[in-house]
Amino acid sequence: GENVGLHLPTLSVQEGDNSIINCAYSNSASDYFIWYKQESGKGPQFIIDIRSNMDKRQGQRVTVLLNKTVKHLSLQIAATQPGDSAVYFCAENANSGGSNYKLTFGKGTLLTVNP
Amino acid sequence: NAGVMQNPRHLVRRRGQEARLRCSPMKGHSHVYWYRQLPEEGLKFMVYLQKENIIDESGMPKERFSAEFPKEGPSILRIQQVVRGDSAAYFCASSPAQDNYGYTFGSGTRLTVV
Repeated sequence: GENVGLHLPTLSVQEGDNSIINCAYSNSASDYFIWYKQESGKGPQFIIDIRSNMDKRQGQRVTVLLNKTVKHLSLQIAATQPGDSAVYFCAENANSGGSNYKLTFGKGTLLTVNP
Repeated sequence: NAGVMQNPRHLVRRRGQEARLRCSPMKGHSHVYWYRQLPEEGLKFMVYLQKENIIDESGMPKERFSAEFPKEGPSILRIQQVVRGDSAAYFCASSPAQDNYGYTFGSGTRLTVV
């Protein structure tokens, strides 16, 4: 069945370093991926997305890389700041049977930024 | 634009009671999605509603759970005869159309069953 998961449950970095959060997925039919940030006590906040016809997309301080060959997704955060401390989730949309509204989330990675 | 509003933020219920969770979508959004998040887990899809219609409830438990999105007023997720395993964070999201490209999540309702 479909599965979205993360390699590392926790990641601790120094302020100013770059962070890389990884995600593996198993559904080759997935055509859209999103990274969310969730701070304690809050709902998921959209960070960046990527469609399956791309392998890289950049935002402000964030980059998402998609490797469809090995079904791997990563989020890179440049110059990590204390405000980046949160749980990061990848989510996929398999868009099967017309259900282009349903997201499947991974378990999440806790990013801790040390000042 | 107030965003997706959920209330209450925290809800404590004793086993066997009913829990009602409310979600007001963003202005202009007519599509509502409910997700559940167990401790240290990712969010799991429960149900998708449009005004007065349940489009997909494939993620809803078969018993005790129901959802509605009336013509007027917020969407309601109702859990009857709550059990300890229902303790979780329940998130609502809304979008202007039937897709997840414009998903906006609320801050959630944290349900604790004692």
